[in-house]
Amino acid sequence: AQRVTQPEKLLSVFKGAPVELKCNYSYSGSPELFWYVQYSRQRLQLLLRHISRESIKGFTADLNKGETSFHLKKPFAQEEDSAMYYCALRAAGNKLTFGGGTRVLVKP
Amino acid sequence: IAGITQAPTSQILAAGRRMTLRCTQDMRHNAMYWYRQDLGLGLRLIHYSNTAGTTGKGEVPDGYSVSRANTDDFPLTLASAVPSQTSVYFCASAARTGLKNTEAFFGQGTRLTVV
Repeated sequence: AQRVTQPEKLLSVFKGAPVELKCNYSYSGSPELFWYVQYSRQRLQLLLRHISRESIKGFTADLNKGETSFHLKKPFAQEEDSAMYYCALRAAGNKLTFGGGTRVLVKP
Repeated sequence: IAGITQAPTSQILAAGRRMTLRCTQDMRHNAMYWYRQDLGLGLRLIHYSNTAGTTGKGEVPDGYSVSRANTDDFPLTLASAVPSQTSVYFCASAARTGLKNTEAFFGQGTRLTVV
């Protein structure tokens, strides 16, 4: 069975400080991993995916298969980064599973 | 229709009543999903469908049923609503795995209150 764990429910940081959101997964095959974000009163939307290895809005995430992790990082948090962040795993067969989510609050 | 649409936006429902939440997408995506979002529990998968005519159970399927008669529509039915089904429900769709762009697109959500 596939599983996604986000250990932190809330992260509160000051503007300009680094932020790291942890994500660990369990899956026996080769997963596709994603980070989704939900801003206040908006739909969930894709932030980034591990396949593309890109940086979006200053965020990066590296897949570590040895540690089964896909942590999301940003060196300098901005107030507009305040949102709910979800790590997700898509397995063969299209099943898409989300973690419990981490609320990020960036204080001025 | 542009993207994925859910209806209704919100609903108050008496316990024991039957309710169908609608979801329609126009992106010709093979995969569709239903999630419920609860405080502290994140997004939990209820049911999903790989393609028209097939469905699968997620993490919390009890009390819910789905059908996938065609590519565009994926309704979620609560046969006899209970208060624990009070939640925000999200529908999503995605292209099949193996393609380059496999991100999931989400509806705006349905806020359901069972009293």
